[in-house]
Amino acid sequence: GAGVSQSPRYKVAKRGQDVALRCDPISGHVSLFWYQQALGQGPEFLTYFQNEAQLDKSGLPSDRFFAERPEGSVSTLKIQRTQQEDSAVYLCASSLWTSGGAETQYFGPGTRLLVL
Amino acid sequence: AQSVSQHNHHVILSEAASLELGCNYSYGGTVNLFWYVQYPGQHLQLLLKYFSGDPLVKGIKGFEAEFIKSKFSFNLRKPSVQWSDTAEYFCAVTSAGKSTFGDGTTLTVKP
Repeated sequence: GAGVSQSPRYKVAKRGQDVALRCDPISGHVSLFWYQQALGQGPEFLTYFQNEAQLDKSGLPSDRFFAERPEGSVSTLKIQRTQQEDSAVYLCASSLWTSGGAETQYFGPGTRLLVL
Repeated sequence: AQSVSQHNHHVILSEAASLELGCNYSYGGTVNLFWYVQYPGQHLQLLLKYFSGDPLVKGIKGFEAEFIKSKFSFNLRKPSVQWSDTAEYFCAVTSAGKSTFGDGTTLTVKP
């Protein structure tokens, strides 16, 4: 079946611009995760959802970052008033369930954001 | 807070050499441990995982990892690498839904 898809794949934004990144998880997957990956580093947790409920948003770096999953499937990560330090690859992952963390996460290709 | 440390940033091996990539984590509670691989131009994908039972876990493509609780380690091994194993490898620990990744090890296998 289809894997996790993300759009756009690449985004160039001017500093101060708002951006919206979309994630389509694998159909039927309950849990959805967002990560930020800076160059040369591993993915860093931003937030995760179980269905439409945002259960943990402790990784969001500032109140300029906002994520939603209103119908429990597609999710959008929005970044307001982008800054240069927001430049990174934003990864989305989904899993069938989250039972304490043992479930395998399936990753999308990521959105590479460059803020000029 | 949980953290993951991968000691080797870049490893270069010749084909047929043995591989061991180090991973240490710091977290006092119950953890689930993962190794992910990212081949050039591809998505992150699961290599293997440990959540309970036999501490020696086997994954795809001949990889295995051993969970040593007393050392907070989950090292990845392969007895004989191939050129196609060239990739970036990430160790991760997950607890209560939140995953923490190491910074990755880039493996280059020379033919």
